[in-house]
Amino acid sequence: SQQGEEDPQALSIQEGENATMNCSYKTSINNLQWYRQNSGRGLVHLILIRSNEREKHSGRLRVTLDTSKKSSSLLITASRAADTASYFCATEETSGSRLTFGEGTQLTVNP
Amino acid sequence: DAGVIQSPRHEVTEMGQEVTLRCKPISGHNSLFWYRQTMMRGLELLIYFNNNVPIDDSGMPEDRFSAKMPNASFSTLKIQPSEPRDSAVYFCASSNWDRTHEQYFGPGTRLTVT
Repeated sequence: SQQGEEDPQALSIQEGENATMNCSYKTSINNLQWYRQNSGRGLVHLILIRSNEREKHSGRLRVTLDTSKKSSSLLITASRAADTASYFCATEETSGSRLTFGEGTQLTVNP
Repeated sequence: DAGVIQSPRHEVTEMGQEVTLRCKPISGHNSLFWYRQTMMRGLELLIYFNNNVPIDDSGMPEDRFSAKMPNASFSTLKIQPSEPRDSAVYFCASSNWDRTHEQYFGPGTRLTVT
C-alpha cells in the first residue's frame, strides 16, 4: 500500500476559503514533501519539512508535521481558482533516497 | 534552465511493439527517477539512478521493462514488447540529492498501447 495516504480524496471550496489536506504515513522518515499536479502536467514541488521540524511556511502554504502521529497537513490560505489541482504528499524513508507518493487530494476552488 | 525534458510527449503504439521513452535531466542533478502514473495505481516509482548507476529497480513491473542511463544527461525507459496494460503517463524526475531532496518532474509521456 502507499506510504502516504491523503485525506480527503477530493475537496471543493469557494475562492477565498482555506483548504486543509492531511497525509498519514507508516514508517520512519527523513522528510515529508508536498507536490502539486495540474491536470495533464508533471508534479511541482511545493514544500519540504524535515523530521525534526514541526511547522513550515511558504507564502500561502503552511505545513505541519507530527512524527508521533505519523501525519502531516497542508493548509492553503485564501485559496484562488488557480490553486485547483491535485496535491500529493511524499515521504522519504530513513532507509533510502526514494520518495513514496500518496494517492493525492483533488482540490477544486470555485470562483 | 529548461527543466527536465521528456520525449515523446505522446506515444500510441500497437501491442507487441517496442517503446522507448527518453529523458534529459536538469544539468548538474545526480539522481534520476522514472515513475508511472495511472488512475488505478497512482504514482509508482519504477527505478532510480544515482550518479548514472541504477540503485533500486524493484518497481519495474517485469522483464519487459528496462532502463538505462549511459551518461549524466540522458536516460531511457524501454518496454519490449508493450501490452495494453502498460498504458499510462510516464514521468521522469531529477534531483540534486546531495544538496536538496526535492524532485523536479518532466511533463511526462502519455503512452497508449492498443
